[in-house]
Amino acid sequence: EVQLVESGGDLVQPGGSLRLSCAASGFTFSSYWMYWVRQAAGKGPVWVSRINSDGDGMTYADSVKGRFTISRDNAKNTLYLQMNSLRAEDTAVYYCAKGGDYGCVDYWGQGTLVTVSS
Amino acid sequence: EIVLTQSPGTLSLSPGERATLSCRASQSVRSSHLAWYQQKPGQGPRLLIYGASSRATGIPDRFSGSGSGTDFTLTISRLEPEDFAVYYCQQYGSSPELTFGGGTKVEIK
Repeated sequence: EVQLVESGGDLVQPGGSLRLSCAASGFTFSSYWMYWVRQAAGKGPVWVSRINSDGDGMTYADSVKGRFTISRDNAKNTLYLQMNSLRAEDTAVYYCAKGGDYGCVDYWGQGTLVTVSS
Repeated sequence: EIVLTQSPGTLSLSPGERATLSCRASQSVRSSHLAWYQQKPGQGPRLLIYGASSRATGIPDRFSGSGSGTDFTLTISRLEPEDFAVYYCQQYGSSPELTFGGGTKVEIK
C-alpha cells in the first residue's frame, strides 16, 4: 500500500523558513517523480514543485521560484521542501504527491499545515 | 497557461441520482491529459480518472470520464452516500506542470 506522510508544518512569521518532509513507503520511491501541491483553506489545489526520479531535475511554480527548494533522498525514501522568505500567501496545507505511470499524480499524502503569520 | 473552469460550483442531489460534472479548458488539453480527483474533508485528493476516461485502480465503475480537446465530463451514474465530496479536474503535461479547476461540491439534497 502506497503511503505518503508529511511532516514539518508549523506557524512561522513572515520572512521565516521551514522545511517539510514526506516519508514514502509501499512503492519504489527512486523510480518516480514526486510533487508538492498546496491548498489554501476553501480553495482548489495549486502545484508548487516537481522533482524527477534521480533528483537532478526540478521545476517550480512562478510564485515560489527562488524561495522554495525541492529535494529528495532516495536512500531514505524521503522528499523535502525547503521554504524560505515565507509570506502570508504561502499559508496552506502542503501535500506530497506521487507521480503515476500515466503522467498524472496518483497518490497524495494527508497534508501538513503551514501558517505564515505574525 | 491552461485555465480549467468547473461547473456547477455546487450540485445538490439525492443518493441514487446521476451526477454530471463539467470541466472546460481555456485551450486544448494535450493528448487528453485530464484527470479527475475526489476530495473529502481533512483528506488528500483521490485519483478517480486519468487520460480523460480511464478509471484508476480500485475505482468503482459508477464513475466515468469523457471528453477531449477543451470539454470534459465526470459522470457518477448512481450516487452512493460516500460519493458526496468535492471533485477537481486537473490537466497534466503542459506548463505549468499541473493545473487544477476550482472544484465542484456534490452535496446531499
